[in-house]
Amino acid sequence: GENVEQHPSTLSVQEGDSAVIKCTYSDSASNYFPWYKQELGKRPQLIIDIRSNVGEKKDQRIAVTLNKTAKHFSLHITETQPEDSAVYFCAASSSGSARQLTFGSGTQLTVLP
Amino acid sequence: DTAVSQTPKYLVTQMGNDKSIKCEQNLGHDTMYWYKQDSKKFLKIMFSYNNKELIINETVPNRFSPKSPDKAHLNLHINSLELGDSAVYFCASSQGGDGTDTQYFGPGTRLTVL
Repeated sequence: GENVEQHPSTLSVQEGDSAVIKCTYSDSASNYFPWYKQELGKRPQLIIDIRSNVGEKKDQRIAVTLNKTAKHFSLHITETQPEDSAVYFCAASSSGSARQLTFGSGTQLTVLP
Repeated sequence: DTAVSQTPKYLVTQMGNDKSIKCEQNLGHDTMYWYKQDSKKFLKIMFSYNNKELIINETVPNRFSPKSPDKAHLNLHINSLELGDSAVYFCASSQGGDGTDTQYFGPGTRLTVL
């Protein structure tokens, strides 16, 4: 089955700086890569996703890049703000037999004011 | 106008009891899921279900069983609760069932087994 590894597990940045979170996956058939943000005590919420026919996707201060050859994808947050502080999860899935999202272990991002 | 809702929000119970968690979605989605999030925040799929197929993660004990009375509901029944079952359980739903549609999560149910 799919295995998703996520790094770092914790990340502290100064307000205004950029944050990068990286994930690798094992199943070459995976073709959907969402990122979820989970604030303390809340539900995970999708912030951006990318599919395997695209190398990069951007939405305001958030961008995701995908390298299918190397089987890794990254989340980039620019101009970080205190409200960006949360746990971020990457995930991967395929439309093959598994048809389930496999999540990374999460990154606790803290933006220091 | 809550999209995915769960009840109860908190559940405290004794070892050995049987309990249920309810989930409802009003998005008209075809597929629903149950996830377990442990104390280290790992999110692990337990089940995915649509009206055609139930996919079970093989690591889930058979004390856990999903029950779907209709397309908008997927309840989770847990028999003979154990201490290790303590976690936050999230329900989710998506339009399709091929694993590549956005999943919308419920608010979670914090289960504590004493």
